[in-house]
Amino acid sequence: RKEVEQDPGPFNVPEGATVAFNCTYSNSASQSFFWYRQDCRKEPKLLMSVYSSGNEDGRFTAQLNRASQYISLLIRDSKLSDSATYLCVVTPYSSASKIIFGSGTRLSIRP
Amino acid sequence: SQTIHQWPATLVQPVGSPLSLECTVEGTSNPNLYWYRQAAGRGLQLLFYSVGIGQISSEVPQNLSASRPQDRQFILSSKKLLLSDSGFYLCAWARGGGDRGIQYFGAGTRLSVL
Repeated sequence: RKEVEQDPGPFNVPEGATVAFNCTYSNSASQSFFWYRQDCRKEPKLLMSVYSSGNEDGRFTAQLNRASQYISLLIRDSKLSDSATYLCVVTPYSSASKIIFGSGTRLSIRP
Repeated sequence: SQTIHQWPATLVQPVGSPLSLECTVEGTSNPNLYWYRQAAGRGLQLLFYSVGIGQISSEVPQNLSASRPQDRQFILSSKKLLLSDSGFYLCAWARGGGDRGIQYFGAGTRLSVL
């Protein structure tokens, strides 16, 4: 089983729709969690951290479910500019420096 | 503010040739530094990370090596490139002592080995 798994998509949704995708992780001792965004042929950029209590940043909401070992990202009122690949990131507690990226979920917003 | 520079942006090299990719960070001290490779349509694979000058940890056995000759300089090298070394190479930094999950990436080098 992969340490971090994501549905590769693509998720193809109309502008204005709400879309959500999950990321599961296998190590129950994982320490911290993040969502990154990567545009085509560009470097990844941090979108948001994922806190235990859940957190919101504008149209984006991230949630953590430690019992079921997954994190989620919800995008409301999607814009064309939201089209990108979304990578989830997990940092294992056991390693001083390791960080694990999921393979990403591709999102395409259509007009 | 902190910035990370990575060059070149694109590189085409013949099989068997050497490689040197350089990454430098400005505006911070003692960062953790990382080299990743991303194959087309795939996730990021961590190649090397460094927590200080001369300290390199390798995540996977491969045809590559890394060095950190200065605090804010990280170099990825190969003596002889293989076809399988083609990919998108990304350098990143994170605050030393901070959450390593918060990483800042350079613009990447797209390497094609022919």
